[in-house]
Amino acid sequence: DTEVTQTPKHLVMGMTNKKSLKCEQHMGHRAMYWYKQKAKKPPELMFVYSYEKLSINESVPSRFSPECPNSSLLNLHLHALQPEDSALYLCASSQGDSQETQYFGPGTRLLVL
Amino acid sequence: LAKTTQPISMDSYEGQEVNITCSHNNIATNDYITWYQQFPSQGPRFIIQGYKTKVTNEVASLFIPADRKSSTLSLPRVSLSDTAVYYCLVGDPRGGNTPLVFGKGTRLSVIA
Repeated sequence: DTEVTQTPKHLVMGMTNKKSLKCEQHMGHRAMYWYKQKAKKPPELMFVYSYEKLSINESVPSRFSPECPNSSLLNLHLHALQPEDSALYLCASSQGDSQETQYFGPGTRLLVL
Repeated sequence: LAKTTQPISMDSYEGQEVNITCSHNNIATNDYITWYQQFPSQGPRFIIQGYKTKVTNEVASLFIPADRKSSTLSLPRVSLSDTAVYYCLVGDPRGGNTPLVFGKGTRLSVIA
């Protein structure tokens, strides 16, 4: 299984809502990532988990809260988002740490109203 | 981190070979060059990775000159389905907490 899955595919939420994005991989990878991608822009790294511990937080606002319950799962909890947070949120995993080949999921398209 | 520079866009006709060049003047000794492909509304997909000279797989070839300050991704006989954004990334795959950074990418449009 060389797939990274993400749910939901699409999400619409209001600025007062709380929602979560989920990511799962069963490749035995020990590093997992969250990226944010705006239209016609490259992916921007948000968080890196290495061996289930948060290793990199790229100065992301606290309204985004990552969680890694185990080595196969990665969540991104969303609260009090702003309309400018609307984007494609991508999850990725890699065998080891940050520089290894990353496998990306299809993303969650988020719209904040 | 080595910064990369790529053309913003390229056009090609079907069946042609496409070469996309990436400049990385301050590449470090331990850095590798990696290319990803991204279709609209999908996550990036690994294409190829190399350190020096030439690497070839079933999808593409990667040419890296001796000074390693640039690299060229070569896509043989492109088809309409190769229309995508191609990203060049440079970094050391053996470790550290310095993540790879996606540059602006090259938007390839293949025309029938």
